[in-house]
Amino acid sequence: EDQVTQSPEALRLQEGESSSLNCSYTVSGLRGLFWYRQDPGKGPEFLFTLYSAGEEKEKERLKATLTKKESFLHITAPKPEDSATYLCAVQAQGGSEKLVFGKGTKLTVNP
Amino acid sequence: GAVVSQHPSRVICKSGTSVKIECRSLDFQATTMFWYRQFPKQSLMLMATSNEGSKATYEQGVEKDKFLINHASLTLSTLTVTSAHPEDSSFYICSAPVAYTQYFGPGTRLTVL
Repeated sequence: EDQVTQSPEALRLQEGESSSLNCSYTVSGLRGLFWYRQDPGKGPEFLFTLYSAGEEKEKERLKATLTKKESFLHITAPKPEDSATYLCAVQAQGGSEKLVFGKGTKLTVNP
Repeated sequence: GAVVSQHPSRVICKSGTSVKIECRSLDFQATTMFWYRQFPKQSLMLMATSNEGSKATYEQGVEKDKFLINHASLTLSTLTVTSAHPEDSSFYICSAPVAYTQYFGPGTRLTVL
């Protein structure tokens, strides 16, 4: 069974304090690993897709990396507007496009 | 990115009534859409896969007679919660894929009194 575990559950940072969020996964053949941002009361917002080990993608203060067992979301010099829940999901190879989500990391960035 | 809308954004109903939620892909066509449910402080749980022109595929433990899904066109899927009860109160979110990446709607908050 495909599984995704995210850590930590919650993370509090001061503005400008860089850190990383972890996503460990087990999947029977990875098609893609996805990162989303979710604000309270809203649907997830797509951030990145990673397809193979060693791949990296960047967007503003965020950088996502992928190994064969885990992915990291690095946040450099975060700002209060980066506060949100960050969700990791995996999609297995095969006919289905469904995603399996982790429980998320709630990030709070204090000014 | 691709845009997905949902309507209504919020609904309050009495126990025993049925509620319909619409999910639309605004700038692309989607032969497949997904319906998720999210309880407070929990992650998204896939309920079912909506297939245009054929029956929906439900995840284990989801009652197909309670959660009716209709994929009427390449841009519209509907979820009807029949005979809703307070335990059905939740945040319902749909998504549609573009090249394997799923784009999510803004969600519908259902409260059953």
